[in-house]
Amino acid sequence: GAVVSQHPSRVICKSGTSVKIECRSLDFQATTMFWYRQFPKQSLMLMATSNEGSKATYEQGVEKDKFLINHASLTLSTLTVTSAHPEDSSFYICSAVGQSVISNQPQHFGDGTRLSIL
Amino acid sequence: AQRVTQPEKLLSVFKGAPVELKCNYSYSGSPELFWYVQYSRQRLQLLLRHISRESIKGFTADLNKGETSFHLKKPFAQEEDSAMYYCAPPSSNTGKLIFGQGTTLQVKP
Repeated sequence: GAVVSQHPSRVICKSGTSVKIECRSLDFQATTMFWYRQFPKQSLMLMATSNEGSKATYEQGVEKDKFLINHASLTLSTLTVTSAHPEDSSFYICSAVGQSVISNQPQHFGDGTRLSIL
Repeated sequence: AQRVTQPEKLLSVFKGAPVELKCNYSYSGSPELFWYVQYSRQRLQLLLRHISRESIKGFTADLNKGETSFHLKKPFAQEEDSAMYYCAPPSSNTGKLIFGQGTTLQVKP
């Protein structure tokens, strides 16, 4: 149980393109989803917290107009990298939590999306 | 602010040797702590959590409030334990995880 599907797994596109990444909870309802960015050989950096039906909370230094997050349903959150540039190339990972009281609940992670901007 | 420190970037041991991956935290209040593991080409997954006090794949972790540590231990390392390990306490009010830098465990045959 508690499977999170992330799509696409890899995307290569030209500079200036907007890219949408989907994160789905397949067998549970995710009240909260998180989006992370991971650089090579580094730890995960939290970008934003996404709650169903409300605006995402972005971490300091993350441009909300650059990284648009939508969490319109209890099973789907999307991250759109707008007008992507080579410096946006990275590994993006989502996670989901199913309980409303989330501080003691583990997060379930997707496989990640490798984004390469040419 | 909450912080977690994993002082070793790489830990290399031989098969059968004991393993201890260090994790120190700064946290106000009673922490819940997790260890996550990422095997090669696999997603990040929960290994164990402090509150459950269980042993998973031979690993255990004891919360030491005096030393503010949550070290991960295994008495006899196996080659399949080679992976990246992350220590993470969640934020008490939002549930977001504060990841340590991660430790790569390399178990040599």
